[in-house]
Amino acid sequence: EDQVTQSPEALRLQEGESSSLNCSYTVSGLRGLFWYRQDPGKGPEFLFTLYSAGEEKEKERLKATLTKKESFLHITAPKPEDSATYLCAVLEGGGTSYGKLTFGQGTILTVHP
Amino acid sequence: KAGVTQTPRYLIKTRGQQVTLSCSPISGHRSVSWYQQTPGQGLQFLFEYFSETQRNKGNFPGRFSGRQFSNSRSEMNVSTLELGDSALYLCASSSIGGSGTDTQYFGPGTRLTVL
Repeated sequence: EDQVTQSPEALRLQEGESSSLNCSYTVSGLRGLFWYRQDPGKGPEFLFTLYSAGEEKEKERLKATLTKKESFLHITAPKPEDSATYLCAVLEGGGTSYGKLTFGQGTILTVHP
Repeated sequence: KAGVTQTPRYLIKTRGQQVTLSCSPISGHRSVSWYQQTPGQGLQFLFEYFSETQRNKGNFPGRFSGRQFSNSRSEMNVSTLELGDSALYLCASSSIGGSGTDTQYFGPGTRLTVL
């Protein structure tokens, strides 16, 4: 069964203090790994899709990377508005996993001014 | 393009009642997935529909059901509500084929409270 583990569970940063969030996964045949941001009471907001080991994607202060066992979300010089829960999810390849994302528990990021 | 929309945004029901939630996907998206989000269990997959057919189902009791219409709009129904069904119900849509395949875009969710 697919497993996704995110660490740390919570992370407090000062504004401008760069850090990384980790997502380790176990899946038999990765079709895609996804990062989302979720604000309280709202639906997850799509950030990145990564398909193969070695792939990297960037958006503003965020950069996502992928290896065969884990993904990192690097946050450079964060601002208070980056405070949110960051979710990682995997989609297994094959013909029986249609539309089923398996999510980690998320990392709650708080950025203090 | 308009995003995924879900109605209603909030619902309060009592135990034993049933509820129907609605989801309109992004225009052109034919796959719709449903998830339940609770503080203890996180986001859990309920089911996925494509072209009016349920292709995948998560580990939820038969009280949870859904359907998809020819315009790709989807509904989910929960019968005989239990207190533990209180959650944020999220709908996500994705395109099939082409760039960005499999990326799911989520709606704002329906907050269901069962009293």
